[in-house]
Amino acid sequence: DAGVIQSPRHEVTEMGQEVTLRCKPISGHNSLFWYRQTMMRGLELLIYFNNNVPIDDSGMPEDRFSAKMPNASFSTLKIQPSEPRDSAVYFCASSFGGGGRDTQYFGPGTRLTVL
Amino acid sequence: ELKVEQNPLFLSMQEGKNYTIYCNYSTTSDRLYWYRQDPGKSLESLFVLLSNGAVKQEGRLMASLDTKARLSTLHITAAVHDLSATYFCAYGGAQKLVFGQGTRLTINP
Repeated sequence: DAGVIQSPRHEVTEMGQEVTLRCKPISGHNSLFWYRQTMMRGLELLIYFNNNVPIDDSGMPEDRFSAKMPNASFSTLKIQPSEPRDSAVYFCASSFGGGGRDTQYFGPGTRLTVL
Repeated sequence: ELKVEQNPLFLSMQEGKNYTIYCNYSTTSDRLYWYRQDPGKSLESLFVLLSNGAVKQEGRLMASLDTKARLSTLHITAAVHDLSATYFCAYGGAQKLVFGQGTRLTINP
């Protein structure tokens, strides 16, 4: 099994630019999660999809952030426009069951730097 | 508000010693997860504890769960350098995992 796949692994961009992060969950998993990790705030859940439908987006910081899951094997997290405070590592995770009911498997992460 | 608190947050210990990381959570739960994160890497699942009194062991790591005390522990036996990492516990709710702050463990030769 290839595990959760994320791209790109590193992204450096300038303030104001649009950033798109991509995730392919483990095949057969029904739930997908986007997290953000920083030293100051730790690990934060941004949004959670179940069967491609957004269930909880209360962690999305503001309207500049949006996420989609057009099918069971692909999700995107978009930041437009990006700001320096968005610099963080963004993880995608997937699980078979919903919410916190099953082990979540994390991708390698995307390290985002906004200059 | 759901809370998960770990202590200590930083732990430096010598090889061969034993130590315990504590994880307290603020509400009833029937599942508790432990993850490991190496510097610059992703989170790796270690254990899932599903009921009161559950105990899981893998090598030098042993995790336990006391749902009445709302406490989970991760015990390290005869630590070795390879166990240096940040360890997270997470409470499993209906909607999401709630993570603790993490315990950064450094094991010195």
